[in-house]
Amino acid sequence: GAVVSQHPSRVICKSGTSVKIECRSLDFQATTMFWYRQFPKQSLMLMATSNEGSKATYEQGVEKDKFLINHASLTLSTLTVTSAHPEDSSFYICSVSRAETQYFGPGTRLLVL
Amino acid sequence: SQQGEEDPQALSIQEGENATMNCSYKTSINNLQWYRQNSGRGLVHLILIRSNEREKHSGRLRVTLDTSKKSSSLLITASRAADTASYFCATDSVGGTSYGKLTFGQGTILTVHP
Repeated sequence: GAVVSQHPSRVICKSGTSVKIECRSLDFQATTMFWYRQFPKQSLMLMATSNEGSKATYEQGVEKDKFLINHASLTLSTLTVTSAHPEDSSFYICSVSRAETQYFGPGTRLLVL
Repeated sequence: SQQGEEDPQALSIQEGENATMNCSYKTSINNLQWYRQNSGRGLVHLILIRSNEREKHSGRLRVTLDTSKKSSSLLITASRAADTASYFCATDSVGGTSYGKLTFGQGTILTVHP
């Protein structure tokens, strides 16, 4: 498998501030990572595909200027929620793809006040 | 957009009983995967079934795949209270631009009463 960590596990911020979430692949060099968002009692929605050394690929309807993704190394991808608003409050989960299987981080719960 | 639907949305059973969850999808797939999520946590990979496979077992889990009906089922036998969680199916579609890009179903909330 693969071990994936996320930091922080939960964050509370004021509206208008930016929040950075880190996703680390601890035992596997990942050229591709995925970022998902999950609202309460709902399923996971893919936000973007993070590609090491190149620009992320965003899903339709996801604002790339609002959700900045940086995949600077084979073990780290970051998601920055810029100018966060209460509607951005959600559970953000990253995953690493290894062969046919995806391995998920524990998630980051973001609450924007 | 979501690939498909799962039913039931919620399932409540007693310990020792079997739990069956179903998943339908819309496009051609390379494989279908089942994941479990405990409340407020990340997802745990349970089992993967490829498009050319019809049935797969792993411990108390049994997964079937019917590509003609675009559906899959997950059976958990002899359920335990610790099986209480949300279960999601996810498909890796043919022709996707990113290898490993998954589309998730809506999920089934399973509650197993001791």
